[in-house]
Amino acid sequence: LAKTTQPISMDSYEGQEVNITCSHNNIATNDYITWYQQFPSQGPRFIIQGYKTKVTNEVASLFIPADRKSSTLSLPRVSLSDTAVYYCLVGVMFSGGYNKLIFGAGTRLAVHP
Amino acid sequence: NAGVTQTPKFRILKIGQSMTLQCTQDMNHNYMYWYRQDPGMGLKLIYYSVGAGITDKGEVPNGYNVSRSTTEDFPLRLELAAPSQTSVYFCASTFTTTAYNEQFFGPGTRLTVL
Repeated sequence: LAKTTQPISMDSYEGQEVNITCSHNNIATNDYITWYQQFPSQGPRFIIQGYKTKVTNEVASLFIPADRKSSTLSLPRVSLSDTAVYYCLVGVMFSGGYNKLIFGAGTRLAVHP
Repeated sequence: NAGVTQTPKFRILKIGQSMTLQCTQDMNHNYMYWYRQDPGMGLKLIYYSVGAGITDKGEVPNGYNVSRSTTEDFPLRLELAAPSQTSVYFCASTFTTTAYNEQFFGPGTRLTVL
C-alpha cells in the first residue's frame, strides 16, 4: 500500500490560494490520487481525483508531476468555509475487491478572516 | 435521493451492551463500507461489502459484525460494547464500474461507551 505524507496543519487567510502537498514515494503504476474534505461532525466528501498531470474541477485543482511521487491540491481564493481536514489517498480501490484506500490523519486547514 | 443515511446520530452505551448501527443508501450502489474515526485521527475500515450476501473484514473488524441482506442496507452490529469502541462511525457506499469511484459518506453515528 502506498503511504502518504502530508502536513499536519496549515493556516491561511480569506482570498488566498492554498496549496497542500502530499508525498507518496512508493505509488504504484495503477494507483490513483484522490483528495477528500471533511468538515467537523460530517463524513468525508470527495474533492478531486487524478492519475497524472493536472486535473481541475469547480472546487480545486490537482497537480501531479511526471514521476507521480507527490501531488498538490490547490484551493483558489479560500474562504472561511474551506476550514476543514483534507485527506490525500493513494490506491486502486477495487483491486481484488478490497478497498486499499488508507485515510491518514490528513491536513487541518484553518482559514482566518 | 437521500444518499447515505445513518441512524442513530448519537448513542451512549454501557460496557457489555450491544447495539446495531443502521446504514441505508438509495443510490443502488453495490459496494458499502463501515469506518470508525477516533478523535483527531483518520478513518479506519471495519468491514466492507461488495454486494448483497457478501461481506469481508477490513483493518479493524474485532468486536463488530455485519450483514448485507439487501443492496440498500448494511447494518453494523456491536456485541459486548467496550470503551475502546467509543468513536464516530461512518458508513459509505460506491458504485464500481472502473478502477476507482468516489465514496459517498453518511453523516456518522457518534457512539460513547461508558
